[in-house]
Amino acid sequence: ELKVEQNPLFLSMQEGKNYTIYCNYSTTSDRLYWYRQDPGKSLESLFVLLSNGAVKQEGRLMASLDTKARLSTLHITAAVHDLSATYFCAATQRAGGTSYGKLTFGQGTILTVHP
Amino acid sequence: GAGVSQSPSNKVTEKGKDVELRCDPISGHTALYWYRQSLGQGLEFLIYFQGNSAPDKSGLPSDRFSAERTGGSVSTLTIQRTQQEDSAVYLCASSAPGSNQPQHFGDGTRLSIL
Repeated sequence: ELKVEQNPLFLSMQEGKNYTIYCNYSTTSDRLYWYRQDPGKSLESLFVLLSNGAVKQEGRLMASLDTKARLSTLHITAAVHDLSATYFCAATQRAGGTSYGKLTFGQGTILTVHP
Repeated sequence: GAGVSQSPSNKVTEKGKDVELRCDPISGHTALYWYRQSLGQGLEFLIYFQGNSAPDKSGLPSDRFSAERTGGSVSTLTIQRTQQEDSAVYLCASSAPGSNQPQHFGDGTRLSIL
């Protein structure tokens, strides 16, 4: 059974600082997703990581995937208040043929960026 | 274009009643997923549709839960004889054909059982 664990679960950052959120998963998965959720809102797709060594960047966020270590990271550079949200990683396994089925989510990391 | 649409956005009902939650996926998205989100359990998978068939129903918590999808589009999640532990936000997601596509989520239905 695929399990996904994130750490830290709570992250309080000062504006301008850098930090990394870690996402470990328990069994083979070669699709890793990062989502953002604002309070009372739904999930917004940030990154889809498809292969070992994949790195994607959007603004102050950079995500990477190491399938051998079963680890993905979400790095935050020079944090700003607008990045305050809950961040989820999710892994999936092939459901049959070329389709992928359910996402298994981590617990979420609540990020608060303060002045 | 329009995103995933869910209705109602909020539903309050009494314990023991049946409820129906609706999901309209993004046009052209062949895969549709139901999840629920609650404080104690986080984000949990319920059921996955590919077209009108459901190859994975493993997340449905009991036989009070059922879902169907018609015409490869709209899906309905039905909860019979609701219990207080069914209170949660029920999220629907859809994804385009191809294995590289993310799942796009709707705003959810917040279900409260009194």
